[in-house]
Amino acid sequence: AQTVTQSQPEMSVQEAETVTLSCTYDTSESDYYLFWYKQPPSRQMILVIRQEAYKQQNATENRFSVNFQKAAKSFSLKISDSQLGDAAMYFCAYRRLDTPLVFGKGTRLSVIA
Amino acid sequence: DAGVTQSPTHLIKTRGQQVTLRCSPKSGHDTVSWYQQALGQGPQFIFQYYEEEERQRGNFPDRFSGHQFPNYSSELNVNALLLGDSALYLCASSLLTGDTEAFFGQGTRLTVV
Repeated sequence: AQTVTQSQPEMSVQEAETVTLSCTYDTSESDYYLFWYKQPPSRQMILVIRQEAYKQQNATENRFSVNFQKAAKSFSLKISDSQLGDAAMYFCAYRRLDTPLVFGKGTRLSVIA
Repeated sequence: DAGVTQSPTHLIKTRGQQVTLRCSPKSGHDTVSWYQQALGQGPQFIFQYYEEEERQRGNFPDRFSGHQFPNYSSELNVNALLLGDSALYLCASSLLTGDTEAFFGQGTRLTVV
């Protein structure tokens, strides 16, 4: 079974600084998708960024970028120019095309003004 | 577009009772998935509905059942509630075909006392 591991239960970052959240996963598949979701206190899961395993280029969405290392099964999220609104739980998730999402346990990110 | 809506937002039930949670998918989506998120954990997949049939199921007992209606909305039913069923229940909608993003609702917080 696929598993997703987030080894950092909590992280903090100064406003305007950069922070990297770690994620590793275990799979024997070659085609899959990886995601980072943000869950603020409002509880709604919001997609931050996604990466298709067949793409070598790392995904980027404005201040959010990933470092996807397929051989190492590593998928880290970098948040640049951190803002107070970035404070939330961040979940790394994996799925194949036709399977449900498998989530990690999450990383709580605090942003210090 | 109202996105994914779930009701109720909060619910308190007594052990042994039964509960029904409801989800309306994002307009145009035909697939609904349910997840259970215990406190401090990532969401765990319960089951997925498409064309009014349960299509996939996670590792949850038969006390957890569901239904999908012709308008694609869905219900999650839990019988014989246990204290351990206390959690945030998230609904996600998507399109079965094609590589589409899953959109989440804000969840129903269930407390079993």
